[in-house]
Amino acid sequence: GNSVTQMEGPVTLSEEAFLTINCTYTATGYPSLFWYVQYPGEGLQLLLKATKADDKGSNKGFEATYRKETTSFHLEKGSVQVSDSAVYFCALSDGKGYSTLTFGKGTMLLVSP
Amino acid sequence: EAGVTQFPSHSVIEKGQTVTLRCDPISGHDNLYWYRRVMGKEIKFLLHFVKESKQDESGMPNNRFLAERTGGTYSTLKVQPAELEDSGVYFCASSLKTGDYGYTFGSGTRLTVV
Repeated sequence: GNSVTQMEGPVTLSEEAFLTINCTYTATGYPSLFWYVQYPGEGLQLLLKATKADDKGSNKGFEATYRKETTSFHLEKGSVQVSDSAVYFCALSDGKGYSTLTFGKGTMLLVSP
Repeated sequence: EAGVTQFPSHSVIEKGQTVTLRCDPISGHDNLYWYRRVMGKEIKFLLHFVKESKQDESGMPNNRFLAERTGGTYSTLKVQPAELEDSGVYFCASSLKTGDYGYTFGSGTRLTVV
């Protein structure tokens, strides 16, 4: 079955540091890949997505590239801010049926001033 | 536009009691999904409604869970009787079209069974 593995947290960084959160997946066919973010007290929000190999999703300074050869979709940001503190979830949809999402366990990011 | 609304935001109940969670999707969104995150684990799919019909309930853990969506508007998820392992955060999401990755998620209901 489908699965998503992402790095354990929490990840603790100082403001303006470089961020990488690793995500690898197992899926049949050609899944679409997503990063969701949950800020404290809020719902899950779609951060970015990529629907085919070598696509790069980007939003709010975050980027992730769909790497089929390594089955990875690592999230990166060049300079994090305190406001980026949140829980980040990697997810996939295999595009079959009704597009339900398979999530990773989530990675908490804490950014200090 | 109002987002997806879930309530209560928190619920603490004793083992064996009944709890009902409610989700109000975005108006006009035919698709409604329930997901659950047990602490420290992945967010897992529970079920999917298209309007009032259950399209996929393959993720429902057992028959203690009952989901309804009367009239194709809001949805309820009832747990009866609740067990300790039901504790977690229950998320609802809605989308306009099936296969539309533009899900909007609610803030979740944190359920604690003691």
